[in-house]
Amino acid sequence: EDQVTQSPEALRLQEGESSSLNCSYTVSGLRGLFWYRQDPGKGPEFLFTLYSAGEEKEKERLKATLTKKESFLHITAPKPEDSATYLCAVPYSGGGADGLTFGKGTHLIIQP
Amino acid sequence: SQTIHQWPATLVQPVGSPLSLECTVEGTSNPNLYWYRQAAGRGLQLLFYSVGIGQISSEVPQNLSASRPQDRQFILSSKKLLLSDSGFYLCAWTLSGRGNFGPGTRLTVL
Repeated sequence: EDQVTQSPEALRLQEGESSSLNCSYTVSGLRGLFWYRQDPGKGPEFLFTLYSAGEEKEKERLKATLTKKESFLHITAPKPEDSATYLCAVPYSGGGADGLTFGKGTHLIIQP
Repeated sequence: SQTIHQWPATLVQPVGSPLSLECTVEGTSNPNLYWYRQAAGRGLQLLFYSVGIGQISSEVPQNLSASRPQDRQFILSSKKLLLSDSGFYLCAWTLSGRGNFGPGTRLTVL
């Protein structure tokens, strides 16, 4: 059974304080790992797709990296507008066409 | 560009009442469509998916059902809601495995 575990569950940082969010996964044959941002009361917004160990993707203050067992979302010098819940997901291996298995997310708060 | 719509945005329903949530996609043909539920303290859970009109697969046993009457329309229904059906319901379509989500419907069952 696919499993996706995110840590920490919640993280409070001061503006400008860099940190990393973790996503560990257990799947039989990774077909991609996805990162999303979700604001309260809204649907998840796509950030990155990673396909192979060693791959990195960047967008503004965010950088996602991938190893064979986990992915990290590094946030550099965050601003209050980066506050959100960050979700990672892997393609579902239960036969569902392109469905995703999600972690529970990391709730990130950036204080001014 | 592709756009996904969901309605209603919020809904408060009594236990035992019926449910109908609608999702429509614009800007793409024959998309794979999905219903997810996000309950408090839990991750997004895949409920149903559809690869075409009239084709529905269920991932989780429950008192919910789904239908796809048109290529770009996906409906989530229930005949009798339970308290445990409360949550945030999200419709999505996929492109190269990547899920693209709608704005969601917040359902509260009282």
